[in-house]
Amino acid sequence: AQTVTQSQPEMSVQEAETVTLSCTYDTSESNYYLFWYKQPPSRQMILVIRQEAYKQQNATENRFSVNFQKAAKSFSLKISDSQLGDTAMYFCAFSAGAGSYQLTFGKGTKLSVIP
Amino acid sequence: EAQVTQNPRYLITVTGKKLTVTCSQNMNHEYMSWYRQDPGLGLRQIYYSMNVEVTDKGDVPEGYKVSRKEKRNFPLILESPSPNQTSLYFCASTGPGQEDEQFFGPGTRLTVL
Repeated sequence: AQTVTQSQPEMSVQEAETVTLSCTYDTSESNYYLFWYKQPPSRQMILVIRQEAYKQQNATENRFSVNFQKAAKSFSLKISDSQLGDTAMYFCAFSAGAGSYQLTFGKGTKLSVIP
Repeated sequence: EAQVTQNPRYLITVTGKKLTVTCSQNMNHEYMSWYRQDPGLGLRQIYYSMNVEVTDKGDVPEGYKVSRKEKRNFPLILESPSPNQTSLYFCASTGPGQEDEQFFGPGTRLTVL
């Protein structure tokens, strides 16, 4: 069974600064997907970024980027130029791919952006 | 607009009173699932369905039932709710070509007294 660990229950960052959220996972699969989801106070689950394990290049989406270290089973999220709207709960998630579709989530990191 | 809808969005009920939370998607997705979210625990899968009439247990299925009679609908049934089922529930869907991205409904906040 897969496990996903987020070791930082809460974090804070000053507006316009950069912050990194950590995520590690455990799996015996060789190909899989990793995700970061954002959950703002509205509770909606919003996909921030996705990484396919067989792609060596780290995914980026505007101010969001990941540091994917496959051998270390690490998948951290970097948010640059933090904005007040980035205040949210962030969940790291794993999917084994190959049509299994089940997502395994970490427990989340609550990020607060301070003006 | 492509979306997953859930109803109701909020529900307060009493122990033992059967309830159903509906979930519907308009993206023709084969796969649908239910998650519950609890503080400090993240999201955990309750049940999932790979297609019509095909359902299976997730990680926390006790006390829940599901059905998949139509491709677009995947209701969650609590036949005898208990206070430990007070939680935030999410329905999600996906299918081939989505690269495992799941599309989530807006969530249902359930309180069982």
